[in-house]
Amino acid sequence: EAQVTQNPRYLITVTGKKLTVTCSQNMNHEYMSWYRQDPGLGLRQIYYSMNVEVTDKGDVPEGYKVSRKEKRNFPLILESPSPNQTSLYFCASSHGTGGRETQYFGPGTRLLVL
Amino acid sequence: QKEVEQDPGPLSVPEGAIVSLNCTYSNSAFQYFMWYRQYSRKGPELLMYTYSSGNKEDGRFTAQVDKSSKYISLFIRDSPPLDSANYRCAILTGNQFYFGTGTSLTVIP
Repeated sequence: EAQVTQNPRYLITVTGKKLTVTCSQNMNHEYMSWYRQDPGLGLRQIYYSMNVEVTDKGDVPEGYKVSRKEKRNFPLILESPSPNQTSLYFCASSHGTGGRETQYFGPGTRLLVL
Repeated sequence: QKEVEQDPGPLSVPEGAIVSLNCTYSNSAFQYFMWYRQYSRKGPELLMYTYSSGNKEDGRFTAQVDKSSKYISLFIRDSPPLDSANYRCAILTGNQFYFGTGTSLTVIP
């Protein structure tokens, strides 16, 4: 089954404790992206990646890091989480040029930073 | 100014109604226009996309783009209760996506 998986689905942590949210896709997609979803602000793009070892900032990259060492995986790293990073996070993937508009989203990771 | 503005709703309509959802965007260089549906506790799923002005139909859904006015719409016909969800417009320009804030739709049986 074609899918995007994220882990964990729910996470409670404390300020400053490094965490990683994993994202994996099995569709051989080149393009992968991370979003955060907040009430009243909608979905905002954090980082995206056009292919292995190619990443770029989205609208709200501050406080986040990403890496793309393999095509299927695109982890999101919060090196020193703060309460304003409490949010619902989505990973998405799509084909590269000629197909980016059709994104497939993961189920979401709900993060609470205390 | 936000790249994409969406009527926030919420909208509540009776079953079988025609629903109109609307967004405006700021940059005439924007290339692709999409509509996503999101059910509670799920990720967004793509409903439709288009890149040209005019109408595009897919079953009960019609996406409309007016590039001269920088206005995009989604029309839903014969809405059943299962259409109750959050609907978001989205725009792709270059490699970056911009999403509207979403409109919550409730279809009442």
